[in-house]
Amino acid sequence: LAKTTQPISMDSYEGQEVNITCSHNNIATNDYITWYQQFPSQGPRFIIQGYKTKVTNEVASLFIPADRKSSTLSLPRVSLSDTAVYYCLVGDIRYSSASKIIFGSGTRLSIRP
Amino acid sequence: DVKVTQSSRYLVKRTGEKVFLECVQDMDHENMFWYRQDPGLGLRLIYFSYDVKMKEKGDIPEGYSVSREKKERFSLILESASTNQTSMYLCASSSPGVRGPLNVYNEQFFGPGTRLTVL
Repeated sequence: LAKTTQPISMDSYEGQEVNITCSHNNIATNDYITWYQQFPSQGPRFIIQGYKTKVTNEVASLFIPADRKSSTLSLPRVSLSDTAVYYCLVGDIRYSSASKIIFGSGTRLSIRP
Repeated sequence: DVKVTQSSRYLVKRTGEKVFLECVQDMDHENMFWYRQDPGLGLRLIYFSYDVKMKEKGDIPEGYSVSREKKERFSLILESASTNQTSMYLCASSSPGVRGPLNVYNEQFFGPGTRLTVL
C-alpha cells in the first residue's frame, strides 16, 4: 500500500490558486489517487479522483505526472469557504478492502481575506 | 442524494459501559465503514463491511466490534468503554461500482459524526 505524505498545513488568500501536493513514491500500477475535503464538524466529502495525467471537475483539478509518484490538487480562486482539511488517498480502490483505505493526517488549508 | 445518518451527534458515557453507535445509509451501498478521528491523527479505519454479516478489520479494531444484520445499517459496539475511546466517530458508505462521467470508484459518503466522551 502506497504511503502518502502531505504538508501539515498551508495558508493562502482569497482569490488565489492553491496547490496541495501529495507524495506517494511507491504507488502501485493499479492504484488510484483520491482527494477528500473535510469542513469543521462535518464528515469528509469526495472532491476528485484520478489515475494519470489531469482530471478536472467543477470543484478542482488533479494533476498527476507521468511517473505518478506525486499528485497535486489545484483549487482555483479560493474563498474563505475553502478553509478545510484535505486528504490524499492512494490505493487500488476498484475492489474494496480495508487494507486499501488509509486517510492519513491531511493538510489543513486556511484561507485569509 | 446519498444520505448517511448517525444515531447521535454527541454522546457521554461512563467507563465500562457498553456503547452502541448506529449508522444508516439510504442508497443501497454494499460497503460501510467506521472511522475514528483524533487531533493530529487524521481518520483511522476501525472496521469495514462489504456485505451483510461480512466484516474486515481496519487499522485499529481493538476494543471495538461491529454488526451488520441489514444492508443499510452498520453498528459499532464498544463492549466496555474506556477513556481512550473518547473521540469523533465517523460512518461512511460506498458502492464498489463506477459512478459518474469521470469513472469514480468507491466514492465514500460520510455521516455527520458522533462525538463520544467517555468519563
